[in-house]
Amino acid sequence: DVKVTQSSRYLVKRTGEKVFLECVQDMDHENMFWYRQDPGLGLRLIYFSYDVKMKEKGDIPEGYSVSREKKERFSLILESASTNQTSMYLCASSFWGTQYFGPGTRLTVL
Amino acid sequence: KNEVEQSPQNLTAQEGEFITINCSYSVGISALHWLQQHPGGGIVSLFMLSSGKKKHGRLIATINIQEKHSSLHITASHPRDSAVYICAVQETSGSRLTFGEGTQLTVNP
Repeated sequence: DVKVTQSSRYLVKRTGEKVFLECVQDMDHENMFWYRQDPGLGLRLIYFSYDVKMKEKGDIPEGYSVSREKKERFSLILESASTNQTSMYLCASSFWGTQYFGPGTRLTVL
Repeated sequence: KNEVEQSPQNLTAQEGEFITINCSYSVGISALHWLQQHPGGGIVSLFMLSSGKKKHGRLIATINIQEKHSSLHITASHPRDSAVYICAVQETSGSRLTFGEGTQLTVNP
């Protein structure tokens, strides 16, 4: 079975803090994605990566950056957390189109 | 207007009922995905289809490419089917998905 893990299920941070969310997949997938999910808005793509050190902006990249130094690991960075970044963050990897999701990190920024 | 529209937004059914969730999209696609999200957040992929019909257990997904429409059917619904069902389209240009807002299904015993 494909396994996608995320570093935390719940996270509470203060405004202005730098936040790292990590995602690891164990199936050697080339494509990895970061989404946020908010009520009434569905899943929205923040960034994706199709190979090591390669990244593409999604629909809402502002306030975020990403890092992919190794194929299995894709990190999402909030440079200076703000309250409007309070959300559920989901990571996924994909193979032949099918996306495999991690369990999600519920981030609260106070 | 969203590129992917789902209906209904909320659906309540009695155990045993036949359920249909609809998805319409406005862009050219290479595939359409149906996903299921249980309380707690975990999302699993149910189907990926580009034409016709697929069946897995009590779940059936159909797609009409000409009409840009897909349906997810659940036969003999059960309370454990209660979840959010999400439609997503994979555009012809790559691997990224565009998601609908989801349908919250509640099946009462």
